[in-house]
Amino acid sequence: QKEVEQNSGPLSVPEGAIASLNCTYSDRGSQSFFWYRQYSGKSPELIMFIYSNGDKEDGRFTAQLNKASQYVSLLIRDSQPSDSATYLCAVKSRGNQFYFGTGTSLTVIP
Amino acid sequence: ETGVTQTPRHLVMGMTNKKSLKCEQHLGHNAMYWYKQSAKKPLELMFVYNFKEQTENNSVPSRFSPECPNSSHLFLHLHTLQPEDSALYLCASSAPAGYEQYFGPGTRLTVT
Repeated sequence: QKEVEQNSGPLSVPEGAIASLNCTYSDRGSQSFFWYRQYSGKSPELIMFIYSNGDKEDGRFTAQLNKASQYVSLLIRDSQPSDSATYLCAVKSRGNQFYFGTGTSLTVIP
Repeated sequence: ETGVTQTPRHLVMGMTNKKSLKCEQHLGHNAMYWYKQSAKKPLELMFVYNFKEQTENNSVPSRFSPECPNSSHLFLHLHTLQPEDSALYLCASSAPAGYEQYFGPGTRLTVT
């Protein structure tokens, strides 16, 4: 069983739509959750982090965490072509262990 | 320089060579990390240093040897690598360990 699972995609949405990215994790003791964006040939860039159950909003991005279901998601409102990238879900497990998913490829179609 | 920097950006080395990767963070953070990113695989955490002390070593082969002389600098010493070690090596830092991480641009390593 993988520590962190994401649909690899590709996920395509039209410009202006909401993109929904999902992630599940296996360690119920996981404490912190992160979303990174990675453009092709570039390093991951932090978008959001969330520690508590519920929603956290930052501009066009909303992270949602449900620890009971071991599920974390990222919503991107008013998607733009510049949002086209691979989105990585990361989970901080026990100690200083971090696990990443393989990423979901998002394409925003103009 | 701002953020997290890594040198060199590209490295080609033979299996018998010895080389080192360098990472420097300009964010005032206290934790630094080495990751390996291979095609079609998730980012793999290799080492974690918190306040210069190694806190995680994820069963990384001994041909990879980390060094953290202070909270701003991190090295990865490489020797007798294998072709399957070819990958993007990413350095990251965070305030203390466990918090959100900021990545450097990476070193693209090719082992021939």
